[in-house]
Amino acid sequence: GAGVSQSPSNKVTEKGKDVELRCDPISGHTALYWYRQSLGQGLEFLIYFQGNSAPDKSGLPSDRFSAERTGGSVSTLTIQRTQQEDSAVYLCASSLGSADTYGYTFGSGTRLTVV
Amino acid sequence: GESVGLHLPTLSVQEGDNSIINCAYSNSASDYFIWYKQESGKGPQFIIDIRSNMDKRQGQRVTVLLNKTVKHLSLQIAATQPGDSAVYFCAETFTGGFKTIFGAGTRLFVKA
Repeated sequence: GAGVSQSPSNKVTEKGKDVELRCDPISGHTALYWYRQSLGQGLEFLIYFQGNSAPDKSGLPSDRFSAERTGGSVSTLTIQRTQQEDSAVYLCASSLGSADTYGYTFGSGTRLTVV
Repeated sequence: GESVGLHLPTLSVQEGDNSIINCAYSNSASDYFIWYKQESGKGPQFIIDIRSNMDKRQGQRVTVLLNKTVKHLSLQIAATQPGDSAVYFCAETFTGGFKTIFGAGTRLFVKA
């Protein structure tokens, strides 16, 4: 597609429920990234995928968070047993290659509210 | 954890004035730096970048300055316009790297 697409754009869920957030990267982009942006805060790195390499999961805050990328394209970020502190905007980005050469293109994010 | 910090969380300027947004980075190994602009409801967008072998780079109305000695970046916006109102993030990575670390952001308000 023309840009990075994220769905849903907004999600309200009850505490304790599981949620899945979806990211469709730009076609042909080999790298895909997930970031979390809490209200009034910066972007917190969560995970990235690059080609067939093992993902860098070093930013996932707990084992309730997981992500997968199927077929080198679409990615799903799953949060199990959601907590109120999980409320944030979850941003996805993709790039053709390394960040310094190709740069990131971000989606508009999914705003998650846990009530 | 890893962080790139900002000195001023909020900046208010008069339309037509120049704006300066500052940033301190923590990783001495970083050699590529980027400024992003984020408007309400949107993802961050690339503004300008600079590599560590430079200390200044100019774009259209924007200039980035890099001081490696004190690990400091700044973004200068000339003749600030209402459309410049947004949150600005500095970010760092390294040559060939994929993971980028973002700072906390500065919100810029432009008064008409």
